[in-house]
Amino acid sequence: DQQVKQNSPSLSVQEGRISILNCDYTNSMFDYFLWYKKYPAEGPTFLISISSIKDKNEDGRFTVFLNKSAKHLSLHIVPSQPGDSAVYFCAASSGGADGLTFGKGTHLIIQP
Amino acid sequence: GAGVSQSPRYKVAKRGQDVALRCDPISGHVSLFWYQQALGQGPEFLTYFQNEAQLDKSGLPSDRFFAERPEGSVSTLKIQRTQQEDSAVYLCASSLGREETQYFGPGTRLLVL
Repeated sequence: DQQVKQNSPSLSVQEGRISILNCDYTNSMFDYFLWYKKYPAEGPTFLISISSIKDKNEDGRFTVFLNKSAKHLSLHIVPSQPGDSAVYFCAASSGGADGLTFGKGTHLIIQP
Repeated sequence: GAGVSQSPRYKVAKRGQDVALRCDPISGHVSLFWYQQALGQGPEFLTYFQNEAQLDKSGLPSDRFFAERPEGSVSTLKIQRTQQEDSAVYLCASSLGREETQYFGPGTRLLVL
């Protein structure tokens, strides 16, 4: 039973446009959410996070939105750049658990 | 400063062999986590250390998996009598504290033949 779901295995976006990556979760105990970016043969790199007490967090070109009632979060990247091409993982944590729960990832491809 | 490092980066083992995977966390990071990432999947939690204490090993898939962090710094994940289903990337992450941001190493890709 997947508690964190990323339903789009891949997403193709034109350079300069907005990339929107989506993530849904089922566990209402999750209270902290993170996005990681992963290049091939490297470990995941932390991008941005959001606490459940907020509905938006922004860092440069990256913004994460959280809709608790829908158990949905999204990552917006604007403008998209070629270096953004990577696999993006959504992850969640709760106070009661020690590790992060990850989705399966979305492969973002930025086309020139 | 130096990030999380892992060695070896790649390991090929024959079924039944024992393997040991090493993780060097970021200096000063109290918390250390091991994850297993199968092909096409996200990382899955294996075990958690706070300093030298293994506080959670609920994610270890079988008693063939054993992890230690004897001095609260370097950690080793050992897999005994490897099976083909153990083939995966093993990721180590460290953080300042349990609820702080986790920083990942490059992983060890294990292939069991």
